Amino acid sequence: TQLLEQSPQFLSIQEGENLTVYCNSSSVFSSLQWYRQEPGEGPVLLVTVVTGGEVKKLKRLTFQFGDARKDSSLHITAAQPGDTGLYLCAGGRNTDKLIFGTGTRLQVFP
Amino acid sequence: DVKVTQSSRYLVKRTGEKVFLECVQDMDHENMFWYRQDPGLGLRLIYFSYDVKMKEKGDIPEGYSVSREKKERFSLILESASTNQTSMYLCASSFRASNEKLFFGSGTQLSVL
Repeated sequence: TQLLEQSPQFLSIQEGENLTVYCNSSSVFSSLQWYRQEPGEGPVLLVTVVTGGEVKKLKRLTFQFGDARKDSSLHITAAQPGDTGLYLCAGGRNTDKLIFGTGTRLQVFP
Repeated sequence: DVKVTQSSRYLVKRTGEKVFLECVQDMDHENMFWYRQDPGLGLRLIYFSYDVKMKEKGDIPEGYSVSREKKERFSLILESASTNQTSMYLCASSFRASNEKLFFGSGTQLSVL
């Protein structure tokens, strides 16, 4: 059973556009991580959010954890070709292992 | 810089072969993980280990086994490879809690013919 659903599954946009990726669950998580995976590489952690309603910014990327800690979003402003990759959310519950989302593949064209 | 190294980038094996995937980390991490990655399914946990000689089943352990004889090395074994085990395999490690930040290797793309 997939506990974390991401949408959209694919996103293809032009440079300069804005986009939002969603990560949804019916379960509550104590923390939510976002990873980016570039072709030929393993995922790399971008951010961890731990408090309901928390917002974190990483340059043009804004991450939000839902108030009920069941969902999260990633918003990219003025996307660049360097943002291209697979974005994965991962939820943690106390000492239990991480659960990964289904992934969103983003392609940004120049 | 911290590093998780997977021994092979690409592997091609025949059905029925025994396959070893090796992973080494240089960060003195307690936890090590093996995931497989398939399009549209995200990362699925096969096995993990929180200490030397300790192992726990993940979500999809069938057809796989693991070995952790030394802290820095975690091996994934396919006893008799099958075509449905064709996939990208990712090794990861973390310092203490199993839901902490994961450091991943670059992956091994395994094709079973």
